[in-house]
Amino acid sequence: DVKVTQSSRYLVKRTGEKVFLECVQDMDHENMFWYRQDPGLGLRLIYFSYDVKMKEKGDIPEGYSVSREKKERFSLILESASTNQTSMYLCASNPGTGWEKLFFGSGTQLSVL
Amino acid sequence: SQQGEEDPQALSIQEGENATMNCSYKTSINNLQWYRQNSGRGLVHLILIRSNEREKHSGRLRVTLDTSKKSSSLLITASRAADTASYFCATDDEGGSEKLVFGKGTKLTVNP
Repeated sequence: DVKVTQSSRYLVKRTGEKVFLECVQDMDHENMFWYRQDPGLGLRLIYFSYDVKMKEKGDIPEGYSVSREKKERFSLILESASTNQTSMYLCASNPGTGWEKLFFGSGTQLSVL
Repeated sequence: SQQGEEDPQALSIQEGENATMNCSYKTSINNLQWYRQNSGRGLVHLILIRSNEREKHSGRLRVTLDTSKKSSSLLITASRAADTASYFCATDDEGGSEKLVFGKGTKLTVNP
């Protein structure tokens, strides 16, 4: 089975801190994605990557950056965390051959105080 | 941008009853997918239906797709308490990229 692992289940940070959310997949998938999920708003795409060192902005990239130095790892970076970035963050991956199903991690609930 | 919109937002039924959730979308698609999310966890893929298919089954799940109405439905038959979760439809982005766009979900509660 495909395993998508997010490094933290819960995270509490202070306003202004630089925050790293890590995601690792073990199935040699080409595509990796970061979503955030908020009540009443559903899932919104922040960034995605279709290859090492390649990235594309999603619908809400402001305040975030990403890094994909190795194929299996996709990091989401909050340069200066703010309270409105308190959310559930979900990482996902897929093989990359075209609109295939996504495999999700368990999520990281981030609280910015 | 959100492509799919689920209806109803919340649904509460008794164990053994059938649950039907609907999804509407705005533009042409290549496929439509349904996902399930248990409270506070990641999403799990349930079923994918391609634009040239009208109906698909998987166990107690039945999905229909009507491309002329730009809508899909997910039917869960003989529901169980363990089916309690949120259900999301997802479609490929209208711009043709490989990202999926999710709706806001239907929260299903199955009462024992």
